[in-house]
Amino acid sequence: DAKTTQPPSMDCAEGRAANLPCNHSTISGNEYVYWYRQIHSQGPQYIIHGLKNNETNEMASLIITEDRKSSTLILPHATLRDTAVYYCIVRVVGNDYKLSFGAGTTVTVRA
Amino acid sequence: EAGVAQSPRYKIIEKRQSVAFWCNPISGHATLYWYQQILGQGPKLLIQFQNNGVVDDSQLPKDRFSAERLKGVDSTLKIQPAKLEDSAVYLCASSLIQASPNEQFFGPGTRLTVL
Repeated sequence: DAKTTQPPSMDCAEGRAANLPCNHSTISGNEYVYWYRQIHSQGPQYIIHGLKNNETNEMASLIITEDRKSSTLILPHATLRDTAVYYCIVRVVGNDYKLSFGAGTTVTVRA
Repeated sequence: EAGVAQSPRYKIIEKRQSVAFWCNPISGHATLYWYQQILGQGPKLLIQFQNNGVVDDSQLPKDRFSAERLKGVDSTLKIQPAKLEDSAVYLCASSLIQASPNEQFFGPGTRLTVL
């Protein structure tokens, strides 16, 4: 899987949008961008994924640049419960289902 | 829908002792994974099963770690003998065999402390 680069940490004010960047400059054409998050003392939780189009679900939005070399996860209205480590992962979807986690971004939402 | 179950949640042992962790995946999920997460790092895949066959165990330290998935459902991960560096959270995850989104569902993990 291609490697990703994320900032180690970021703060966000409660009620504001949180924009989490991810660089994946070596991504291949058949690799998807996945986001997971891990709240303290819990297992990781799937958030969203995309190939090249922007995606939105009830948790977040994913914006992928046209050249697919970077993406941004947007939490539209951050709450204290969104405090977690966020992982950006690129992977081929098919027979290989592995997730290769980096260190992620520790997001702290402050009241 | 019940999630991935793991037990025990916490375990403290002395080095050179043995330990075993148990995982019950979500019903119907053919693929099961064991990850090791050392403090401050992201999870690292140890072994992946599809039904009761091993798909990938390239990062499993086979001299001391073993895992099995009998009948393609529950799985156990064993460490024998444990070393200090095995202190970590051991996460179990499961997923359906499907192209997309192939979401992995994680259990709460077992926190192992080796003294």
